[in-house]
Amino acid sequence: QKEVEQDPGPLSVPEGAIVSLNCTYSNSAFQYFMWYRQYSRKGPELLMYTYSSGNKEDGRFTAQVDKSSKYISLFIRDSQPSDSATYLCAMQIDTGTASKLTFGTGTRLQVTL
Amino acid sequence: DTGVSQDPRHKITKRGQNVTFRCDPISEHNRLYWYRQTLGQGPEFLTYFQNEAQLEKSRLLSDRFSAERPKGSFSTLEIQRTEQGDSAMYLCASSYREKAYEQYFGPGTRLTVT
Repeated sequence: QKEVEQDPGPLSVPEGAIVSLNCTYSNSAFQYFMWYRQYSRKGPELLMYTYSSGNKEDGRFTAQVDKSSKYISLFIRDSQPSDSATYLCAMQIDTGTASKLTFGTGTRLQVTL
Repeated sequence: DTGVSQDPRHKITKRGQNVTFRCDPISEHNRLYWYRQTLGQGPEFLTYFQNEAQLEKSRLLSDRFSAERPKGSFSTLEIQRTEQGDSAMYLCASSYREKAYEQYFGPGTRLTVT
């Protein structure tokens, strides 16, 4: 079983819809939770990060972490065709030597006109 | 701030050849990471440097792989005796030590081994 599970999609929604992307994880030591956006054949782009549990909002994007359920979400409001990409969740433990990010497989999102 | 850059962007090589990739991190960042990404998968950690010291290596980093960051600035990743299974996107990222969760990625080097 992978440490981080993410539905690969594809997920297709009409323009203007609210999108919900999710990941589950098994390692309770994860404390930092990140969302990256990756366009085809490009490097991942950091969207936002959250520490421990709670919500964080940035424009049309909201990240939620529920550590009790080991479940994280990214919501995209008023989705646009330019949001069409693969969304990767990533996690990291919180120690002084923490380094690697552990990624999900990514969910491919298609926003249609 | 020009971001993380990688060179080359694409590399096609024959099985058994050696290849070397270069990564230039964001200039103020003291940590540099290498990841590998195959089709339909998320990036997988290979190794990371803090300044010039290589502090962690994944089990994915076989003996044919070597990475350096000689002056704590740019880094190189060399693959010797390439195999078809090495075909992947090789991604470099950088961060501040204090913000290791905030890693910024370069565009990647796509390697195809024929």
